[in-house]
Amino acid sequence: GAVVSQHPSWVICKSGTSVKIECRSLDFQATTMFWYRQFPKQSLMLMATSNEGSKATYEQGVEKDKFLINHASLTLSTLTVTSAHPEDSSFYICSARGAPLTGGYQETQYFGPGTRLLVL
Amino acid sequence: AQSVTQLGSHVSVSEGALVLLRCNYSSSVPPYLFWYVQYPNQGLQLLLKYTTGATLVKGINGFEAEFNKSQTSFHLRKPSVHISDTAEYFCAVSDLNRDDKIIFGKGTRLHILP
Repeated sequence: GAVVSQHPSWVICKSGTSVKIECRSLDFQATTMFWYRQFPKQSLMLMATSNEGSKATYEQGVEKDKFLINHASLTLSTLTVTSAHPEDSSFYICSARGAPLTGGYQETQYFGPGTRLLVL
Repeated sequence: AQSVTQLGSHVSVSEGALVLLRCNYSSSVPPYLFWYVQYPNQGLQLLLKYTTGATLVKGINGFEAEFNKSQTSFHLRKPSVHISDTAEYFCAVSDLNRDDKIIFGKGTRLHILP
């Protein structure tokens, strides 16, 4: 199946700093990428959807100025948590779907392994 | 609005036993239904998916789930579990007409006893 990677796998930062998380599709062209957040013992919650070359669509209640999403290429999307605070500590997961290199279109979302963010 | 309820945050069964993970959904439109598995320190992996057609869906690793419209359920089962099935399992639903937005349940942690 398709592979999606995230980097870093975990990060600790001081309050007020910005953190960038990368999401890459390794063997297919991700025309759409999704960013989720998962708090301990809770569901994954969709934060935003981004299509390559377009502005991200944010879910209700997600601050677009705080969570900057860039999807500049078909294999890379980044999530930047600006001026992070302790309440932003969470597990951030991306997923991607699109066109396998073998052709066609794959509607299934493939998930990355997640990035654990701890803001002190 | 769509929602998913997974009954039981933790389930423990002995290796070789049958396991049933329960999931009930709420949707005002025909849903897509999913089961995902997350092994320790790994990403989510799709186990199986129901869209339309046959209500019994077979997935990977011997898992299957049955869509029951009248009971709004999509329970996951495996007749004989293995130690390697220890993981977190998520039931999810999305709008048939907009399968971008997947709503996840809180997950059930399955622990297989040797």
